[in-house]
Amino acid sequence: KAGVTQTPRYLIKTRGQQVTLSCSPISGHRSVSWYQQTPGQGLQFLFEYFSETQRNKGNFPGRFSGRQFSNSRSEMNVSTLELGDSALYLCASSWTALSSGANVLTFGAGSRLTVL
Amino acid sequence: DAKTTQPNSMESNEEEPVHLPCNHSTISGTDYIHWYRQLPSQGPEYVIHGLTSNVNNRMASLAIAEDRKSSTLILHRATLRDAAVYYCILNTGNQFYFGTGTSLTVIP
Repeated sequence: KAGVTQTPRYLIKTRGQQVTLSCSPISGHRSVSWYQQTPGQGLQFLFEYFSETQRNKGNFPGRFSGRQFSNSRSEMNVSTLELGDSALYLCASSWTALSSGANVLTFGAGSRLTVL
Repeated sequence: DAKTTQPNSMESNEEEPVHLPCNHSTISGTDYIHWYRQLPSQGPEYVIHGLTSNVNNRMASLAIAEDRKSSTLILHRATLRDAAVYYCILNTGNQFYFGTGTSLTVIP
């Protein structure tokens, strides 16, 4: 079974530009979450999608947006990039553990964004 | 947001057991306790999770305090491949609240 695939793995943008990151979840997983990881703030939750609907949203400005397609693939977009947006952006799809009913995350390797 | 508190770093000798502590005093009755680890240049990897009872799997054991306000991840025999940042996480519904993690160094 293929894992969670994120593209691109690395990208460099300049301030003011916008960027779109893509995530393909594990086949059959319908929930996709996005996280931002920086050295100073650690892993912070951005948003979560399920069946093309945003179910939860973290505390990020409106410049950060996302969407999910009917095949569960997801994209996130950051507009008007700032230096502070430089980070590793992680996508995770979730599955339900039969033994407990808890959701468990499987992460991709991430997209490392550098804003100059 | 539900919060967890972990030591910033810990060291262990290779092939010795490791006990990684986590405090989560604001845990609610329906929160699951998860542990993930992140190796360099990779996304976090699931290790184990539990609700009230202690749990074991092939990677580790999870010991949960009776009042659920703290937990301990136990690696029974640390190897060099276990060197990573370990995150203790409270899971509410579909949201996962990551703490700052413990950086584990394994000494050969």
